[in-house]
Amino acid sequence: DIVMTQTPLSSPVTLGQPASISCRSSQSLVHSDGNTYLSWLQQRPGQPPRLLIYKISNRFSGVPDRFSGSGAGTDFTLKISRVEAEDVGVYYCTQATQFPSYTFGQGTKLEIK
Amino acid sequence: EVQLVESGGGLVQPGGSLRLSCAASGFTLSDYYMSWVRQAPGKGLEWVANINQDGSTKYYLDSVRGRFTISRDNAKNSLYLQMNSLRAEDTAVYYCARDVVGLGLGDWGQGTLVTVSS
Repeated sequence: DIVMTQTPLSSPVTLGQPASISCRSSQSLVHSDGNTYLSWLQQRPGQPPRLLIYKISNRFSGVPDRFSGSGAGTDFTLKISRVEAEDVGVYYCTQATQFPSYTFGQGTKLEIK
Repeated sequence: EVQLVESGGGLVQPGGSLRLSCAASGFTLSDYYMSWVRQAPGKGLEWVANINQDGSTKYYLDSVRGRFTISRDNAKNSLYLQMNSLRAEDTAVYYCARDVVGLGLGDWGQGTLVTVSS
């Protein structure tokens, strides 16, 4: 199974400042079809997860453009250009390259300083 | 609007059984793979099982294979998870999620809590 490792596990950020979360996979996430099925989910307190980014850098419907994703192969990054109060929560990277099974990172807790 | 509503959670003794349901609306269920994902209290996400569009192919997390059974009834717009031989470590919020090709787990329900305890 592919293991997903996120850093940091906790990220205190000042409102209006940028934030960055890294995700590394134990093997390449490039699928045989040429796509890389790396996604990012956001889970606000008391809420179910919500898809933010898919295939490394594509924002899902309704996701603000302050969220962006980048990376390739085994190393990926989620960036928030200017953190807002509503961004507080836990962020997970997840891979679907080994679909039909999924694996998730441990989660990174974003909190306001 | 896509809606997924789970039900059937509750308190069950170790070794007991529970059947979770997920009512789907706002899309054609028979067009999509569907998954169950769980989250133990204060912990991260763990994919549990999924099922293809017509229910003929099913995949499971190793630790639940042989104890859990995923199924669906497209005519009733419903997804199910039959959980037998439950263990304390199965305690979690169970979410149903829609698998969208190319996107992954694109839509999630609110979840239902399963507590396995004596």
